[in-house]
Amino acid sequence: GAGVSQSPSNKVTEKGKDVELRCDPISGHTALYWYRQRLGQGLEFLIYFQGNSAPDKSGLPSDRFSAERTGESVSTLTIQRTQQEDSAVYLCASSGAGYYEQYFGPGTRLTVT
Amino acid sequence: AQSVAQPEDQVNVAEGNPLTVKCTYSVSGNPYLFWYVQYPNRGLQFLLKYITGDNLVKGSYGFEAEFNKSQTSFHLKKPSALVSDSALYFCAVRPSGGSYIPTFGRGTSLIVHP
Repeated sequence: GAGVSQSPSNKVTEKGKDVELRCDPISGHTALYWYRQRLGQGLEFLIYFQGNSAPDKSGLPSDRFSAERTGESVSTLTIQRTQQEDSAVYLCASSGAGYYEQYFGPGTRLTVT
Repeated sequence: AQSVAQPEDQVNVAEGNPLTVKCTYSVSGNPYLFWYVQYPNRGLQFLLKYITGDNLVKGSYGFEAEFNKSQTSFHLKKPSALVSDSALYFCAVRPSGGSYIPTFGRGTSLIVHP
């Protein structure tokens, strides 16, 4: 079946602009995660959605970052007033029943100039 | 708090030789443990997991991992490495109860030489 998809695959933006990244999880997966991966580094947790529960936003690095999820489907991660340190690959993942392994999308590579 | 250590930034092995990528963890209670692989310019791909039961778990592409509770380790192994196994490998842990958010290690780059 279809995996996790993310769009755009690449985004180049000027410092100070807002960007919106999109994630389509696997159908039926109730859990959705956003991560940031800086060049040569591991995964940095950003935010977790579980069904209709309040999201766990404990990983968001600043109030410039926000995310929404429509029910158990699409999620968008918004970064306002982008800074150069926001340049990274943003990965989305979803999990199904049991919340065991995660299935990752291909990521969005964000470059802030 | 939970944590994962992957003590080697890079592992080099000759094709055909066995490989081991090390992972140790810290978590409250019983762990759920995972290995993922990341090929260049791709997202992470699930390899295998330990949830309960047999300490030796087998996964995709001939990989296996052994859960050792006393040593809090979950090393990834393969009997015979392939050049195509060259990639970045991540270990992750989360508690069996409580948080559904796993913690990932920093990753280990595996290079298999022809």
